Amino acid sequence: GQQVMQIPQYQHVQEGEDFTTYCNSSTTLSNIQWYKQRPGGHPVFLIQLVKSGEVKKQKRLTFQFGEAKKNSSLHITATQTTDVGTYFCAGVTSGTYKYIFGTGTRLKVLA
Amino acid sequence: DVKVTQSSRYLVKRTGEKVFLECVQDMDHENMFWYRQDPGLGLRLIYFSYDVKMKEKGDIPEGYSVSREKKERFSLILESASTNQTSMYLCASSLPMTAGNSPLHFGNGTRLTVT
Repeated sequence: GQQVMQIPQYQHVQEGEDFTTYCNSSTTLSNIQWYKQRPGGHPVFLIQLVKSGEVKKQKRLTFQFGEAKKNSSLHITATQTTDVGTYFCAGVTSGTYKYIFGTGTRLKVLA
Repeated sequence: DVKVTQSSRYLVKRTGEKVFLECVQDMDHENMFWYRQDPGLGLRLIYFSYDVKMKEKGDIPEGYSVSREKKERFSLILESASTNQTSMYLCASSLPMTAGNSPLHFGNGTRLTVT
């Protein structure tokens, strides 16, 4: 079945350093979404990417969707302690209702 | 603002019990989902429903069933709870994919412990 792999599993950074998490799908996706889950909370939607090669920015966060629509990345510039949490990608294949989540990257920011 | 409400935050059940997890959403969303979340495994889809009385299996449906008699309510049923079903269960809802931007809106989760 469809799989979505995400790396790294954990990342510890010093406050002010950059952070990137990568997502790879075994199948071509119609779109990909990114979510953030704070410790003790539930996943909260960040953004959706639909077009091949699409790049979107939200303040210090940059999201990319690969040309082949099989991979994606989230980059955070100059991390802050408020960025702490687990970041998940979720891929959707065409013709389905299924959001398949990656395993998540847990980010810890050291002040 | 979309609200997805799960009936219990914490549940403790015994092996073999029948367990009902309830989820209600207030935004008239067509799609509803049940995931379980385990450390290192991310969120895994158990079942989803794209309309009343419609359901489809996700990736790990074994040992679970679902019910969607009304649009706003999606129930997850553990027919005979087992210890390997101890987990965090997350319900979510969304508009159809054809609506364009269709994010998942999650409830706060139910942490189920089966002893």
